[in-house]
Amino acid sequence: EVQLVESGGALVQPGGSLRLSCAASGLTFSSYSMNWVRQAPGRGLEWVSYISSSGGAIYYADSLKGRFTISRDNAKNSLYLQMNSLSAEDTAVYYCASGGNSGRDYAFDFWGPGTMVTVSS
Amino acid sequence: SSELTQDPAVSVALGQTVRITCQGDSFRTYYASWYQQKSGRAPVLLIYGKNKRPSGIPDRFSGSSSGQTASLIITGAQAEDEADYYCSSRDSSSNRWVFGGGTKLTVL
Repeated sequence: EVQLVESGGALVQPGGSLRLSCAASGLTFSSYSMNWVRQAPGRGLEWVSYISSSGGAIYYADSLKGRFTISRDNAKNSLYLQMNSLSAEDTAVYYCASGGNSGRDYAFDFWGPGTMVTVSS
Repeated sequence: SSELTQDPAVSVALGQTVRITCQGDSFRTYYASWYQQKSGRAPVLLIYGKNKRPSGIPDRFSGSSSGQTASLIITGAQAEDEADYYCSSRDSSSNRWVFGGGTKLTVL
């Protein structure tokens, strides 16, 4: 059974930083592209970032303005999201999701339960 | 970048068929994927590619596409299908992915 489990969500002050992690099991992690998708309270889903299986290709949503950095450690079956200069607009549940590659027609096939990030003073 | 447009809310009588639509330029290049999200839960992939269902997804869920419009069809809606449904696609003009705004399905 595939399991993706996010961690690292917290209450953080505006301008602060946070690092999210996603631990993967039940899949050959090094073969999967990975993504972060977020959902603000009461709002829809928003794609945040993509990283290819090797880490050689990385993409971000334009709205992030260079504040976030996605990375992965295939030896640890883990995905990360470093978030800097946080503002209230970044308050959301952050999901890690596998997929986004052509083999699955660019769909996100497995999702974690999410971790809540709240940016507030 | 592309945008995907969904109706905010749709209702269906129990056991009837409902079509949830999603409009976007990206569908001329890429397939839509569809996700079901129940309250307080993570999204679940329902349909991807040319009407493909992941293992465990009931066959009452199907997908179709024509031009700029992709559709999720639920044939014989059940009470447990009451949820939010999101379409998604890779952006046809950039290395980005987009989601529709979501459709809240009510089963009457």
